Amino acid sequence: GAVVSQHPSWVICKSGTSVKIECRSLDFQATTMFWYRQFPKQSLMLMATSNEGSKATYEQGVEKDKFLINHASLTLSTLTVTSAHPEDSSFYICSARGLGGNNSPLHFGNGTRLTVT
Amino acid sequence: AQSVTQLGSHVSVSEGALVLLRCNYSSSVPPYLFWYVQYPNQGLQLLLKYTTGATLVKGINGFEAEFKKSETSFHLTKPSAHMSDAAEYFCAVSSYGGSQGNLIFGKGTKLSVKP
Repeated sequence: GAVVSQHPSWVICKSGTSVKIECRSLDFQATTMFWYRQFPKQSLMLMATSNEGSKATYEQGVEKDKFLINHASLTLSTLTVTSAHPEDSSFYICSARGLGGNNSPLHFGNGTRLTVT
Repeated sequence: AQSVTQLGSHVSVSEGALVLLRCNYSSSVPPYLFWYVQYPNQGLQLLLKYTTGATLVKGINGFEAEFKKSETSFHLTKPSAHMSDAAEYFCAVSSYGGSQGNLIFGKGTKLSVKP
């Protein structure tokens, strides 16, 4: 089946540094990838939609300069948390959709737990 | 606007007992409805989805859900709980072709299974 790999699975960084999270579709091409954030005991909140070769579309309230998204190829999207602060600590999950458009199922990565100290 | 309400943040059942996780939705357009399962520190796995057609949807691991438009509900059931069913379950709604990323998720229900 389709696999989405997210790396790293967990990361600890110091306040003020930047962290990059990768989301790869391993056995299919993904025209669209999505980034979510999940707070403890909360639901997933969509942060942004990333389309290959174009700028990401951010949800209301998400700082695009804070959370940089790059989708340079059909198999890779990256989320960079810039100048991280403790309040950015969270579980970040990506999902990817194949080339079949809206009828293609979503496949989720295993998430990245970010802790900012 | 769409929204999802999951009744009960935590449900506990005994192994072999019926599992019932409740989900109610609000949508001004015909909804597409989903149930996902999340194991600790992992992403989401699709259990089942309703788009159109038969209102009783069967998914993986013995789960099923029934779309009831009159009750705006999409409750998840499983006749007999297994220890491996212990996880977090999310109900989600979308107004687009069944697979859009702009799913609206409920807050989740943690299922515990007692031996």
